[in-house]
Amino acid sequence: DQQVKQNSPSLSVQEGRISILNCDYTNSMFDYFLWYKKYPAEGPTFLISISSIKDKNEDGRFTVFLNKSAKHLSLHIVPSQPGDSAVYFCAASDNYGQNFVFGPGTRLSVLP
Amino acid sequence: DSGVTQTPKHLITATGQRVTLRCSPRSGDLSVYWYQQSLDQGLQFLIHYYNGEERAKGNILERFSAQQFPDLHSELNLSSLELGDSALYFCASSQTTNTGTDTQYFGPGTRLTVL
Repeated sequence: DQQVKQNSPSLSVQEGRISILNCDYTNSMFDYFLWYKKYPAEGPTFLISISSIKDKNEDGRFTVFLNKSAKHLSLHIVPSQPGDSAVYFCAASDNYGQNFVFGPGTRLSVLP
Repeated sequence: DSGVTQTPKHLITATGQRVTLRCSPRSGDLSVYWYQQSLDQGLQFLIHYYNGEERAKGNILERFSAQQFPDLHSELNLSSLELGDSALYFCASSQTTNTGTDTQYFGPGTRLTVL
């Protein structure tokens, strides 16, 4: 049973446009949500996170939106750059660190 | 460079064998996490240690075990290896046990190939 889902395995976007990556979760006990980026042959790197008490968190070109009632979050990248091409993992955690789950990832390709 | 080191980088072995993967966390980090990433799959959480003690277990097979030593480095032991164990194994470290608010820093991974 996948507790964290990323239903789009891949996404292609033109440079300069907005990239929107989606993530859905099923466990209502999750309190924190994180996005990690992964380049080939490297480990994932932390990008941005959001607590369940917020509905939006912004860091430069990256904004994460959380809709708790829909159990849905999204990562917006504006403007998209070719260097953003990577696999993006959504992750969710409960408040105690006892349940930490990654989604399957979405491969983003930003085309010049 | 995340500051997390993993050795070896690549490992090729045969079915039925046993291997040990090693991870050194960032300086000052007390938590170590192990993940498995199979081909085209997401990251599967295996196990979490904090300051030498097991903190949480994920989808870790009984053939797999881990430990964290007093110097905080960790080892993941995989035994009776099967073809399906071929994967990238990542280690991550963080300062505390809070997986929500505490950033995990990932190592470069160990690629295990079981023939």
